[in-house]
Amino acid sequence: DVKVTQSSRYLVKRTGEKVFLECVQDMDHENMFWYRQDPGLGLRLIYFSYDVKMKEKGDIPEGYSVSREKKERFSLILESASTNQTSMYLCASSLYSSGGSDTQYFGPGTRLTVL
Amino acid sequence: AQSVTQLDSQVPVFEEAPVELRCNYSSSVSVYLFWYVQYPNQGLQLLLKYLSGSTLVKGINGFEAEFNKSQTSFHLRKPSVHISDTAEYFCAVREIQGAQKLVFGQGTRLTINP
Repeated sequence: DVKVTQSSRYLVKRTGEKVFLECVQDMDHENMFWYRQDPGLGLRLIYFSYDVKMKEKGDIPEGYSVSREKKERFSLILESASTNQTSMYLCASSLYSSGGSDTQYFGPGTRLTVL
Repeated sequence: AQSVTQLDSQVPVFEEAPVELRCNYSSSVSVYLFWYVQYPNQGLQLLLKYLSGSTLVKGINGFEAEFNKSQTSFHLRKPSVHISDTAEYFCAVREIQGAQKLVFGQGTRLTINP
């Protein structure tokens, strides 16, 4: 079974802090994704990565950056956390396929609260 | 660009009743279609997906969905629900060619009452 793990289930930070959210997958997947989930808005893509050291902006990248130094690990960074970044953050991974039919596998999520 | 609309934010039903969760999408290119489920305090897991072929797709836990190209819909159905089906359900689309990213709908919270 594919396993996607996220470093924390719950996190509380203060405004202005630098925040790191870590995601690790154990199935050698090329693709990794970061989403945020908010009530009534569904999931929105922040960043994704097709390979090590490669990244692409999603639909809402402002205020975030990412790092992928190793294939299995994809980090989301909030350079200076703000209260409007309070949300549930979900990481996902998928195997690359040219047709795009690969399934995305999700981690359990990190609920971040910024005070 | 694609967009997905889930027409109901909440659907309450009684146990053993049938249920339909509605999903409509908009896209200028061909897409794959997905339904994911999120149980309380968990991540998302795939229920079913439509890639090609038969427009009726069967998934896990007795769910099925029908792709209707003319109506750009992909509604999810189950003939008889159980308390354990209480969850949030997300419809999503992805371009067949191009970026391998999902576009999600807003989600439908399904509540099963005894």
